[in-house]
Amino acid sequence: GQNIDQPTEMTATEGAIVQINCTYQTSGFNGLFWYQQHAGEAPTFLSYNVLDGLEEKGRFSSFLSRSKGYSYLLLKELQMKDSASYLCAVNKGGGNKLTFGTGTQLKVEL
Amino acid sequence: GAVVSQHPSWVICKSGTSVKIECRSLDFQATTMFWYRQFPKQSLMLMATSNEGSKATYEQGVEKDKFLINHASLTLSTLTVTSAHPEDSSFYICSAPTGPARGNPFGSGTQLSVL
Repeated sequence: GQNIDQPTEMTATEGAIVQINCTYQTSGFNGLFWYQQHAGEAPTFLSYNVLDGLEEKGRFSSFLSRSKGYSYLLLKELQMKDSASYLCAVNKGGGNKLTFGTGTQLKVEL
Repeated sequence: GAVVSQHPSWVICKSGTSVKIECRSLDFQATTMFWYRQFPKQSLMLMATSNEGSKATYEQGVEKDKFLINHASLTLSTLTVTSAHPEDSSFYICSAPTGPARGNPFGSGTQLSVL
């Protein structure tokens, strides 16, 4: 199957840390991407994981556990501009053909 | 590097007309491009894979006669929404695979509104 699940909405406070989870079915897995998307705009690439473990990029980190079909995106030192939709996407079978998760709308509040 | 340009950004058209959307890779060659559709507050749904020099591959449930895809060169793919109806109103966006390190760059998207 293609189910890639994320929480629909999350709210966090400016300056805090938030973790956005993504679960997927493991068959044919060939890498997982995280994107940020503001309303009406194109998704922006944040991170890529293909091996188990944590990838850190500044305020953003992404973790993958292939055996559990689980990933999370960690955002630190939240800023108001981080309010956006966060999409995880799985590459199944190669060719960089991505199947997107349901998306998580993050709202950062003062 | 790895920039994808999409045009137009906005289209408003009457029901029954056809609309063409262009997607260009500006600084690299793309033998494959992906076309997605996104409804408000929903995620991206893959419609089809555009292949340079051959027929596009459509996802299940996508009408190939309604959404015509042409990949005429290594830098240009077009999506034509034929006989558009209000239910076709959506955000259409293209993407080109460039390897995981650059994360499949996306075009800027086209908001289609059919009256």
